[in-house]
Amino acid sequence: AQKVTQAQTEISVVEKEDVTLDCVYETRDTTYYLFWYKQPPSGELVFLIRRNSFDEQNEISGRYSWNFQKSTSSFNFTITASQVVDSAVYFCALSEASRAGYGKLTFGQGTILTVHP
Amino acid sequence: DAGVIQSPRHEVTEMGQEVTLRCKPISGHDYLFWYRQTMMRGLELLIYFNNNVPIDDSGMPEDRFSAKMPNASFSTLKIQPSEPRDSAVYFCASSSKGTGGNQPQHFGDGTRLSIL
Repeated sequence: AQKVTQAQTEISVVEKEDVTLDCVYETRDTTYYLFWYKQPPSGELVFLIRRNSFDEQNEISGRYSWNFQKSTSSFNFTITASQVVDSAVYFCALSEASRAGYGKLTFGQGTILTVHP
Repeated sequence: DAGVIQSPRHEVTEMGQEVTLRCKPISGHDYLFWYRQTMMRGLELLIYFNNNVPIDDSGMPEDRFSAKMPNASFSTLKIQPSEPRDSAVYFCASSSKGTGGNQPQHFGDGTRLSIL
């Protein structure tokens, strides 16, 4: 069965610090997809990024970057120069490409990030 | 473009009452998902549909829960009778099949349900 673990329950940083959110996953499928979602205090879930299992290139989008390493089954998320508006719960999720698992998202427990001014 | 629309945003009702949550997916999306979020269990997939057909309902907690998708633009999640432990935030999400594999799911704002 697929599983996503976000070991950090809560992280607190001061504005402008860099912060990395860890995500470790388990799956038996060779083809799968990894996602990060953000849930701000207002409660909605906002899609941030999708990565497929064949693409291990790191990705950078503004202050956000993602490090995908199949060898360690990890898909970590770094926010550079954090801002108060980054305060949210961040979820890592996994979806398998097999017929049984297609489209189904398994979420980690989430990491609560608080950025202090 | 309109996102996933859920109604109501908040629902407070008494134990034993029937509760109906509604969802309008993004036009053109052929997958629809219902999730429940609680502090204890996090985000759980309850059921999902493909082209209006239920594909996997293994996450539905018990027979008190039912979901329907009568057409491509509307789905309901019903709880009858409701119990206090059903209190949670219920999210609806939709995605397209697209090409290149599993597409991201886009979520509605959720329905915060409180059963007294």
